[in-house]
This record gives sequence, C-alpha cells and structure tokens, in this order.
Amino acid sequence: AQSVSQHNHHVILSEAASLELGCNYSYGGTVNLFWYVQYPGQHLQLLLKYFSGDPLVKGIKGFEAEFIKSKFSFNLRKPSVQWSDTAEYFCAVRGFKTIFGAGTRLFVKA
Amino acid sequence: DAGVIQSPRHEVTEMGQEVTLRCKPISGHNSLFWYRQTMMRGLELLIYFNNNVPIDDSGMPEDRFSAKMPNASFSTLKIQPSEPRDSAVYFCASSLGQGNGNTIYFGEGSWLTVV
Repeated sequence: AQSVSQHNHHVILSEAASLELGCNYSYGGTVNLFWYVQYPGQHLQLLLKYFSGDPLVKGIKGFEAEFIKSKFSFNLRKPSVQWSDTAEYFCAVRGFKTIFGAGTRLFVKA
Repeated sequence: DAGVIQSPRHEVTEMGQEVTLRCKPISGHNSLFWYRQTMMRGLELLIYFNNNVPIDDSGMPEDRFSAKMPNASFSTLKIQPSEPRDSAVYFCASSLGQGNGNTIYFGEGSWLTVV
C-alpha cells in the first residue's frame, strides 16, 4: 500500500529560526515527491518537487527538500523562516496515485 | 493562462439537498482530481480521472457521492442527499497526466457547509 506520513501536526517558530518538516512515505516502486503550501484561506500551491536527479531540490521562497531514498524521506527545510511563511505544508507522494500527508501547520511569530 | 476554475466558491445548503460542484481543469491537462479537505481528516483524494475516464474512485465516501467528467474541460462532483458531515472544502485539481514530475495544480476550492 502507498502512504505518506508527516511527523508534526503543528510547529511554532520565531522569525529567523530554521525549519525542518518531516515527511516519510511507503511505496515499493519509483516515486515522485512534492511539497505544497496552503496559505490561510487559499488553495494549495507547489513549493518544490523531486522526480529524478539531484536529491537536493530547491524550490520557491528559499525552501529546499532532500530525498533520502534509503530512509523513504523527503524533509522540507528553510534556514530562516519569516512571518509570511505561516501556512500549512503538505507533503505528497506519487506512486500509482498521488496522495497527500495530513499537513503540518506552521506558525511563525514576528 | 487560467488555472483550475471551480464553482461555486461557497455554498451553504440544508441537509438533504443536492449539491453540485463544478470544475474546469487547465486547458490541455488530461488528469483531473477531486480532493476533500477537513480539519479532522486532512486532504483526501476522492476520485481521479484520466482522459475523462474514472481511474480510481476508492476515496469516494459512499453512494451519496458521484463524479462525472463528460468532456476534457468539465467535471462535476455531486452529493445527494447532503449531510452535515459533508461540510468541507472540496478542491479540484488537474495535471498533464500522471507522468514523471507532472505537477498537480489546484483550484481555489468550493467551501461547502451543510446545515
């Protein structure tokens, strides 16, 4: 079966703190991996994606994620968060279909 | 270029009424997805179509839910009869196939409240 798990449901950080959101998946075949962001009251938007090549992927707004195949992980990172990063973040995995994690709500204190 | 277009943006209806949500995917995209988002269950895939054909409807909660895609530019998600527990945000999304690296683009959602 295909599944995706996000470790943290809620994260609270101060501005300039570093961020790492965990994402693990289970699937026996080749996967594509995505991180989406949903700002309050808005739809999901793509932050970054991995489908092949360099396992360290850089996305918009200073975000990056690293695919570690041996750990079935695709953690999202940002070295210094801003208040405007307050949002919900979803990890998604495409195996035979695309499924999303439960989401992590990030609140950044100004 | 227009994104995924959903209507209505907001709907409040009484229990027992029929609800129809509409979606126009991005032109040229041949995969279409319906997701439901709630606080309790997060983002759930209800059904997805490829080339207008339903491929996986295992996420459709029960027979009260049905989805159609009569052509490449239009899809509906219908709930009949609606119940309060159907209250959620329903997102339509589309992509250029399910191939390697293809991104799923989301509409702005239909916010449904059943009272």
